[in-house]
Amino acid sequence: GQNIDQPTEMTATEGAIVQINCTYQTSGFNGLFWYQQHAGEAPTFLSYNVLDGLEEKGRFSSFLSRSKGYSYLLLKELQMKDSASYLCAVTDSNYQLIWGAGTKLIIKP
Amino acid sequence: GAVVSQHPSWVICKSGTSVKIECRSLDFQATTMFWYRQFPKQSLMLMATSNEGSKATYEQGVEKDKFLINHASLTLSTLTVTSAHPEDSSFYICSARTSEYNEQFFGPGTRLTVL
Repeated sequence: GQNIDQPTEMTATEGAIVQINCTYQTSGFNGLFWYQQHAGEAPTFLSYNVLDGLEEKGRFSSFLSRSKGYSYLLLKELQMKDSASYLCAVTDSNYQLIWGAGTKLIIKP
Repeated sequence: GAVVSQHPSWVICKSGTSVKIECRSLDFQATTMFWYRQFPKQSLMLMATSNEGSKATYEQGVEKDKFLINHASLTLSTLTVTSAHPEDSSFYICSARTSEYNEQFFGPGTRLTVL
């Protein structure tokens, strides 16, 4: 079966760094996405990885290891507005998006 | 960037009525559109995938006669919830994808409340 695993909830302090991990087992792989979703809103795109390595975009970075079926989203200099759910999603061989359940990130002052 | 709109953003209706939700890609042609449902504190659940001019492909457990999807053009898809019941109350989100890119662009969502 197809499976995406990520922690249910994480807590971090404003100004700190947090890493949200995602492991996946899918039939084929055509890229991994990270989305941010604030409560009551639709997801917004954060990053896309299809090759191994680190992609940096401002305070957010995303890493992929295809051989390990593993990705992480790194958030630096955390701000209160970063409190949200972070969704990991993998595109399988049919270009279908397989979604993780999301990680709720709580930022404390 | 690519913009996807949804209308209405929220709707309240009586049990037994039908509700239509529109999803439009504003500045690109969407070869594929997706409809998701999200219940409180849960992740997105894919309901169906529709390609322009073709019948939608529904996920297991989603009643195609209850959730009618029409993708008549490359910029518009509609989801009609027929004979809505309180358990259909949810956040419905559409997304669109072009043939060129892997990324899905999400609409802002429609919150449906059935009384």
